[in-house]
Formats: sequence, structure tokens, C-alpha cells
Amino acid sequence: DTEVTQTPKHLVMGMTNKKSLKCEQHMGHRAMYWYKQKAKKPPELMFVYSYEKLSINESVPSRFSPECPNSSLLNLHLHALQPEDSALYLCASSPEGNSYNEQFFGPGTRLTVL
Amino acid sequence: AQKVTQAQTEISVVEKEDVTLDCVYETRDTTYYLFWYKQPPSGELVFLIRRNSFDEQNEISGRYSWNFQKSTSSFNFTITASQVVDSAVYFCALSVGDSSYKLIFGSGTRLLVRP
Repeated sequence: DTEVTQTPKHLVMGMTNKKSLKCEQHMGHRAMYWYKQKAKKPPELMFVYSYEKLSINESVPSRFSPECPNSSLLNLHLHALQPEDSALYLCASSPEGNSYNEQFFGPGTRLTVL
Repeated sequence: AQKVTQAQTEISVVEKEDVTLDCVYETRDTTYYLFWYKQPPSGELVFLIRRNSFDEQNEISGRYSWNFQKSTSSFNFTITASQVVDSAVYFCALSVGDSSYKLIFGSGTRLLVRP
């Protein structure tokens, strides 16, 4: 299995809702990532988990809360989002969290905040 | 500081034409890695190639080829005999050092291949 899966594919939520994005990989990778991508822009790194521990938080607002329940799963909990948070959220994984490892990306969740 | 520049915002070609996507990078590190990713309309970024700073050999994979030149800090990507399925946004990215998790992306080049 060489893919990263993400659910849901699309999500529409109001500013007072609480929702979660899920990401799963079964490649035995030990590093997992969340990216945010606005239209016509490159992905921006949000969080990195290495061996199930949060190793990087790129100054992301607390309304985004990551969680890594085990080495295969990565969640992103969303609460009190703003319309400007509407974007494509991409999950990725790599064998280790090193600069030479290519990252494998999932198809993304397209989030719309009303 | 590290930076990746993809000066071509959008390229349009007719099927079967060859096309080159430019990538220029900046870093003071001697150890770094360069990547190309393809993002089709479906949204998923597809890994195409990784090249490390100590290996300047060019690479060919089918219709794809990459030209890495440290002298000009460039890592250009050529598609030979382009096809409609090549239409996508292509990102060049840089990762530096031994323990950096971060991919520094260029702004991307949107390639449209017309039938």
C-alpha cells in the first residue's frame, strides 16, 4: 500500500462548528505532515509529527489542533474557524523526518468555512 | 535564507511539443535536496524526482528529464512530446540540512497542454 488517504474529500462548516480531518498511511512512515494550500499558491507547512510526537508547529492558530493517535493516523481538529481558513488541506508522510526523504501526499480535503 | 523561484507562472503548449519548466533555488547550505512535484486538478501532489546537492548527474525517466546545474543554481524539468495528461501545476521544492523537515516550495508553474 503506497498511498495516503484523507477523509472527507470535501467539508463545509460554519464558524461555530467543530469538525475533524483524518489522514491515514500504511507505508510504515514515521513522519506525518499537515499542509494548507490556498488557491494558486504552494502548500504551506502547518504541523509535523515525528514518531507520533509533535515536532513542528509553524505558528498555526489554536483553532487548528493536530493529533496523532498512532503511527498510521493523523487528525486535524477544527474549531471556530474563519472564512479565510477555507483551503485545501493536504496530509503527507515520509519514511523519516529528514530533508532527503520525499513526502507522499494524500488527495486533500477541500474545506469551505461559511 | 532559502528560496525557490519558478518564474513561469503559466505555460501553454500544443500536444507533442517539448516544454521546459524552470526552477532556480537559493541556499547557503552545502547539503540540500531538490524535488519536483506534480499537482493535477484532482489536488494530490505527486512526487516526481529527488536530487541531492552532491549529484549533478542529469536524469531521464521516460518523457521526463531533469537538468541540475549547481553553477547556475537551477534544476530544470523538461517534458518531451507533451500529452494532455501532463496538464497540471508543477512545483519545485528545496530541503536543506540533515534534519530539516521543511519543503520550501516555489510558487508553481501551471502547464496546459492543448490537444
